[in-house]
Amino acid sequence: DTGVSQDPRHKITKRGQNVTFRCDPISEHNRLYWYRQTLGQGPEFLTYFQNEAQLEKSRLLSDRFSAERPKGSFSTLEIQRTEQGDSAMYLCASSLPGLITEAFFGQGTRLTVV
Amino acid sequence: QKEVEQDPGPLSVPEGAIVSLNCTYSNSAFQYFMWYRQYSRKGPELLMYTYSSGNKEDGRFTAQVDKSSKYISLFIRDSQPSDSATYLCAMISRDDKIIFGKGTRLHILP
Repeated sequence: DTGVSQDPRHKITKRGQNVTFRCDPISEHNRLYWYRQTLGQGPEFLTYFQNEAQLEKSRLLSDRFSAERPKGSFSTLEIQRTEQGDSAMYLCASSLPGLITEAFFGQGTRLTVV
Repeated sequence: QKEVEQDPGPLSVPEGAIVSLNCTYSNSAFQYFMWYRQYSRKGPELLMYTYSSGNKEDGRFTAQVDKSSKYISLFIRDSQPSDSATYLCAMISRDDKIIFGKGTRLHILP
């Protein structure tokens, strides 16, 4: 499978716990994006990387959220002290720079905070 | 006002009908206009994109952009039950982010 891979596909956690998601982009893609999608809404931008550099963070990304891409390959998104409002689908996408029209999305990680 | 507005539906049409899906937007700087299809509990997949105004056709799908009205459309001909999904319109911002509409849920009735 040469697409964007996300792990886990589903995560159920108790409020207050920390969770971490992983995204493996398409190998030659040096742009990586994180989006969040809640029920009945379109995906909303969270943050993106070019190689290992985090270029922008949305105001949606509170201090409890942190994303890394240490070697410019896979990325992790961590949520600390989860809240029920964090329940959503977390989507990762990758592209070549300047070719975001050809970005590919992963299948997402569905987070449920109980 | 959100940058991209899209009626969430649901929209139900009989198999074989022509489907029309629409979005409006407020930012005149948008140049690339995209349509994604998203099946339940899956990630979005790109159907097609258009640059600037005009039409683009790909099989049963036609995308139309009217920049003067800030209005984009996706037409699906000879609709099939397998077309049942959520359709997301999207635009590329100046700083290279994809801005999505809410998505329209489409049901094709056999």
